[in-house]
Amino acid sequence: DQQVKQNSPSLSVQEGRISILNCDYTNSMFDYFLWYKKYPAEGPTFLISISSIKDKNEDGRFTVFLNKSAKHLSLHIVPSQPGDSAVYFCAVSFGNEKLTFGTGTRLTIIP
Amino acid sequence: EAQVTQNPRYLITVTGKKLTVTCSQNMNHEYMSWYRQDPGLGLRQIYYSMNVEVTDKGDVPEGYKVSRKEKRNFPLILESPSPNQTSLYFCASRPPGGQGPKGYGYTFGSGTRLTVV
Repeated sequence: DQQVKQNSPSLSVQEGRISILNCDYTNSMFDYFLWYKKYPAEGPTFLISISSIKDKNEDGRFTVFLNKSAKHLSLHIVPSQPGDSAVYFCAVSFGNEKLTFGTGTRLTIIP
Repeated sequence: EAQVTQNPRYLITVTGKKLTVTCSQNMNHEYMSWYRQDPGLGLRQIYYSMNVEVTDKGDVPEGYKVSRKEKRNFPLILESPSPNQTSLYFCASRPPGGQGPKGYGYTFGSGTRLTVV
């Protein structure tokens, strides 16, 4: 039973345009939501996060949106750059250290 | 340099031969965790630790053991490895203060690719 789903295995976006990565979750009790980025042969890198009491959090080119009623999380990258090409994982937690990750979306930025 | 160090990076072993993957962090982090990454399944948590001598199971703990005798080290032990434990393993650590908007996401090591034949 997948609690966190990233339904798009891959996404291609032109350089300079907006990249939107999506994540759906099933448990309304999750209270922290995070995005990680992963390059080949490296460990994931923490990008940005949001708690359940907020609906938006920004950090430079990265914005995370949380729609609790729809149990939907999204990451917007504007403008997209070639260095953003990577696999992106969303992750959720419920008040403790148990993190549940999605299956990842491979983002390719086309120059 | 602040980092999480895993060893070895690559390991091929035979079924049933006990092995240990070491993990060390130099950031004085309280929290540490082990994950495995498999195609189509993303990252799944094996065990986590909230401090010395405090460990708990993640989503896929079967076949694994951990220990946290010192703050900086969190080894992953496979007592009797089997082919279904062939995977890419990541160790991670973070300071206390909450995940989420306080910014303390996990710092991950570079991974250990384990093959059990």
